[in-house]
Amino acid sequence: AQSVTQLDSQVPVFEEAPVELRCNYSSSVSVYLFWYVQYPNQGLQLLLKYLSGSTLVKGINGFEAEFNKSQTSFHLRKPSVHISDTAEYFCAVSDRSQFYFGTGTSLTVIP
Amino acid sequence: DAGVIQSPRHEVTEMGQEVTLRCKPISGHNSLFWYRQTMMRGLELLIYFNNNVPIDDSGMPEDRFSAKMPNASFSTLKIQPSEPRDSAVYFCASSSDRSGSPLHFGNGTRLTVT
Repeated sequence: AQSVTQLDSQVPVFEEAPVELRCNYSSSVSVYLFWYVQYPNQGLQLLLKYLSGSTLVKGINGFEAEFNKSQTSFHLRKPSVHISDTAEYFCAVSDRSQFYFGTGTSLTVIP
Repeated sequence: DAGVIQSPRHEVTEMGQEVTLRCKPISGHNSLFWYRQTMMRGLELLIYFNNNVPIDDSGMPEDRFSAKMPNASFSTLKIQPSEPRDSAVYFCASSSDRSGSPLHFGNGTRLTVT
């Protein structure tokens, strides 16, 4: 079975500072990896995905993530955050049939 | 594309009443998922369908919950009778069978059972 761990439940960061949201997964098969963002009172929106190829994946809103197979990690990064990035972020893996989500990281950008 | 459409957006009902949540997946998507989100338990998978057939319903809390997908463009999640602990946001999501296809979420139904 697959599992996803997001170690940081809350991450406060000052505006224009860099941020990294951590995601580790465990799987006995090859998986696809995703990051989603959830703004208040909305559904989850896809930020980026890793399917294969280059381990550095760029997504919307200036976010990027790096797949590290040896460390089974898929950390999300942004070099300079904005107030509008305040939201809940979910890491997910897919084994081609089901999707497995982490418990989420609440990012709060402080003015 | 209109995306995944859920209705209603908000539902307030009294304990013991029947509640029906509705979902229209993205046209052409073969898989449909129902999730429940609460502060305490986070995002939980309730059930998912592939080609209108329920594949895994192990996440359905109890017999009060039932889900159907009569055709490729419509699904319902029913709670009968509802209880206050069912209060949550219920999300529907769909994806295609194409390898690596992500999940697309609706905006959810916020259910409050008093």
